[in-house]
Amino acid sequence: EDQVTQSPEALRLQEGESSSLNCSYTVSGLRGLFWYRQDPGKGPEFLFTLYSAGEEKEKERLKATLTKKESFLHITAPKPEDSATYLCAVRILSGGYNKLIFGAGTRLAVHP
Amino acid sequence: NAGVTQTPKFQVLKTGQSMTLQCAQDMNHNSMYWYRQDPGMGLRLIYYSASEGTTDKGEVPNGYNVSRLNKREFSLRLESAAPSQTSVYFCAGSLETSGRNTQYFGPGTRLTVL
Repeated sequence: EDQVTQSPEALRLQEGESSSLNCSYTVSGLRGLFWYRQDPGKGPEFLFTLYSAGEEKEKERLKATLTKKESFLHITAPKPEDSATYLCAVRILSGGYNKLIFGAGTRLAVHP
Repeated sequence: NAGVTQTPKFQVLKTGQSMTLQCAQDMNHNSMYWYRQDPGMGLRLIYYSASEGTTDKGEVPNGYNVSRLNKREFSLRLESAAPSQTSVYFCAGSLETSGRNTQYFGPGTRLTVL
């Protein structure tokens, strides 16, 4: 069964305390892995797409990496404004269309 | 350029009432999607439209219908609302090119069914 699991469910960090969020997946035929940020009461906001193992993408304090089984979202020296829920999704071909399977997300709280 | 917009932002219904959630995009997307988001679960696909004039069921289509009115607009209808349909609904759009795409999401509609 195609599945995406994110860990931890929630993470509390002090400002400046670097850490990583994990997204592990078991799917057949990965066609891309996506990271989104979601603020309370808002829609998911696109961050990164990774297509092949070994690929890395960076944006400000965020860096996403991809292996054959999982992806990591590294947060370096986070600030309170990085507090949000981070969603991971994998794209597969299913029933003739490109389908996104989402994980349940990691709630990140960064405290000053 | 507003991106993906949704109306209404909030709605409360009684069991058995009907309503339509509206979605529009100005990003020239060919594909559009409707998801629901429930606590502790990932976003789940209700229906999608790969192009104007076509619609297909996603993972959780029961109790919903959709209409792709034109390239810009994709509506979701609840004919007889049930408490199990209490959720946050998101519309998304994407431009499918060369097998690669990114889905962009609207701000969501928070629906409560009493």
